[in-house]
Amino acid sequence: TQLLEQSPQFLSIQEGENLTVYCNSSSVFSSLQWYRQEPGEGPVLLVTVVTGGEVKKLKRLTFQFGDARKDSSLHITAAQPGDTGLYLCAGGGNQGGKLIFGQGTELSVKP
Amino acid sequence: GAVVSQHPSWVICKSGTSVKIECRSLDFQATTMFWYRQFPKQSLMLMATSNEGSKATYEQGVEKDKFLINHASLTLSTLTVTSAHPEDSSFYICSVDYSTSKGHNTEAFFGQGTRLTVV
Repeated sequence: TQLLEQSPQFLSIQEGENLTVYCNSSSVFSSLQWYRQEPGEGPVLLVTVVTGGEVKKLKRLTFQFGDARKDSSLHITAAQPGDTGLYLCAGGGNQGGKLIFGQGTELSVKP
Repeated sequence: GAVVSQHPSWVICKSGTSVKIECRSLDFQATTMFWYRQFPKQSLMLMATSNEGSKATYEQGVEKDKFLINHASLTLSTLTVTSAHPEDSSFYICSVDYSTSKGHNTEAFFGQGTRLTVV
C-alpha cells in the first residue's frame, strides 16, 4: 500500500514567519500535487510537479519534488493570514487516476 | 483545469431517509470521477471511483449498498446515501480525473463539497 506521510499535521505561526511542509513516501510517484483547502470548500490545486528535482514557485510559495520522486516540500515565505488553511499533498500516476493523499497540514497564520 | 460543480452545498436530513449528491463536470468530459469523505481537519478518504457507463469501484470498507454511485453521463456522477444515520454525517467531496495529454500527470479538480448532517 502506498502512503504519503505529511508533516507537520498542525502548524500555528505568526504573520511574517517562514514555514516548510513535507511529504515523504517510500514509493515513487509519477507526479505530485499540492492542494489548499478552506473550511467548507473543496481543495484547490496549487501546483503539480513531475520531474525529479523540479522546483516551482507560486508567489511566496516554493514547491520542490525530490530527486527520486518520493518526497516533496512546500515552503512559504513571509506567511500571511490569508495563507491559513489545510494543505494537502497528493501523489499520482501509479494507480490509474487515483491520488494518494497525505494526512494534511492545518496551517494557522496569526496577525 | 476542469470546473466541477457539486450540489447541494449542505443538506440536513432525518435518520432513515436517503440523500442524493450531484457532481457535475461543467467543461470537461469526465470518464472517471472520485468520491471522498472528509472529517474535520483531516485529509480526504477515497470512498469510490465512479466510471461512466459502468459500475463504480468501491474502496475497502465502504458499503456499496449504502453509498450508491451512478455515472450515467460524461458530465454527471451522483452519490446517494441510503438510509442515512447520524454516523454518516460528514463532508462529501467529488473530483474529476483530469489526466493531461502526456498521460503521467494525474490532476484532480474538486467540487465545492457537500456538508451532510443526519439528525
